[in-house]
Amino acid sequence: AQSVTQLGSHVSVSEGALVLLRCNYSSSVPPYLFWYVQYPNQGLQLLLKYTTGATLVKGINGFEAEFKKSETSFHLTKPSAHMSDAAEYFCAVTVGSGGSNYKLTFGKGTLLTVNP
Amino acid sequence: EAGVAQSPRYKIIEKRQSVAFWCNPISGHATLYWYQQILGQGPKLLIQFQNNGVVDDSQLPKDRFSAERLKGVDSTLKIQPAKLEDSAVYLCASVPAFFGQGTRLTVV
Repeated sequence: AQSVTQLGSHVSVSEGALVLLRCNYSSSVPPYLFWYVQYPNQGLQLLLKYTTGATLVKGINGFEAEFKKSETSFHLTKPSAHMSDAAEYFCAVTVGSGGSNYKLTFGKGTLLTVNP
Repeated sequence: EAGVAQSPRYKIIEKRQSVAFWCNPISGHATLYWYQQILGQGPKLLIQFQNNGVVDDSQLPKDRFSAERLKGVDSTLKIQPAKLEDSAVYLCASVPAFFGQGTRLTVV
């Protein structure tokens, strides 16, 4: 079975500062990894995903994440935080075969606060 | 491309009552998922459909929860009777990993 650990339930940064949200996973087979953002009273929006190939993945809104197999990590970064980035962020993993199987296991989430 | 549609957006019921949620996935997507997101936690998978067949319902509390997907399109998730601990956001998703806005259920 797979699992996800998000380090830090709450991260606070200043506007313009680096955003770093940490995610470590556990999986017995090569994983597919995802980051989602959730704004208040909204569903989940996919930021980016890693399946195979290049380990540095670029997503929407200037976010990127790097898959590091040796560290079992998939940390999310953004060089410069914007006020609109304030939201909750979820890391998720699946070991499905791709295609139509995206049965996701989520972390508990990290609430990002951006201070002016 | 239209997204995943869910209704209602909000629902308040008393414990022991029944409730149903509806999901219309993205057109042509054969796989559909229902997740439960309790406040302060990440979503947890309840059930996975492939067309109108159940692929995985191992996490569904079958004594009170049921789900169906008629004709492989729309899906409904029902809770009967509801308990206080069922208060959560119920999210529907289709491949590849598109989520609806969810239904926020409050059981009082």
